[in-house]
Amino acid sequence: NAGVTQTPKFRVLKTGQSMTLLCAQDMNHEYMYWYRQDPGMGLRLIHYSVGEGTTAKGEVPDGYNVSRLKKQNFLLGLESAAPSQTSVYFCASSYSQDTQPQHFGDGTRLSIL
Amino acid sequence: GQNIDQPTEMTATEGAIVQINCTYQTSGFNGLFWYQQHAGEAPTFLSYNVLDGLEEKGRFSSFLSRSKGYSYLLLKELQMKDSASYLCAVRDGDYKLSFGAGTTVTVRA
Repeated sequence: NAGVTQTPKFRVLKTGQSMTLLCAQDMNHEYMYWYRQDPGMGLRLIHYSVGEGTTAKGEVPDGYNVSRLKKQNFLLGLESAAPSQTSVYFCASSYSQDTQPQHFGDGTRLSIL
Repeated sequence: GQNIDQPTEMTATEGAIVQINCTYQTSGFNGLFWYQQHAGEAPTFLSYNVLDGLEEKGRFSSFLSRSKGYSYLLLKELQMKDSASYLCAVRDGDYKLSFGAGTTVTVRA
């Protein structure tokens, strides 16, 4: 039982390049989330999904797109990377939105030069 | 937006007690969570409060006062492995989590 798995763990991009971060969970959770974590700031919600085939914008969605074609996977895309997107990205999932906590992956450290 | 405040850093001695305060102002309230995050690792769930009062889980306890928009996490019998960042997170009226910036606790021998 792996929980929440993120790939890749590290990546360096040049400005303007594109890439996709993959999040996979094996807990049959309905809800999935993408956050970014920057020094001195709390985790900020980028996009989230309340079920297969659904996505919604969070607090800081600009410059990112997401897809949830399968219940277990939640993809985060950067179409044209910018230095301001240098961050640690965390994926999380939860069974429900009320009392259940979110379970986090180990993060993807992304640097954009 | 949501406003969640917690101290940036705290230092304590092994075996001591530390209390981390969190104050919040959010649009609606559907529970407050505490997470622990060791450097370079994922946040892990510690506690959840939705009603006023104290929740105890071994060496860790969490308290909530909804009328004051206030919570604290109490760490007792501190161990070196408790050195980490502690994140306060509030679930708002839309069931989304908003996080504080985290409190880095350093435990010294």
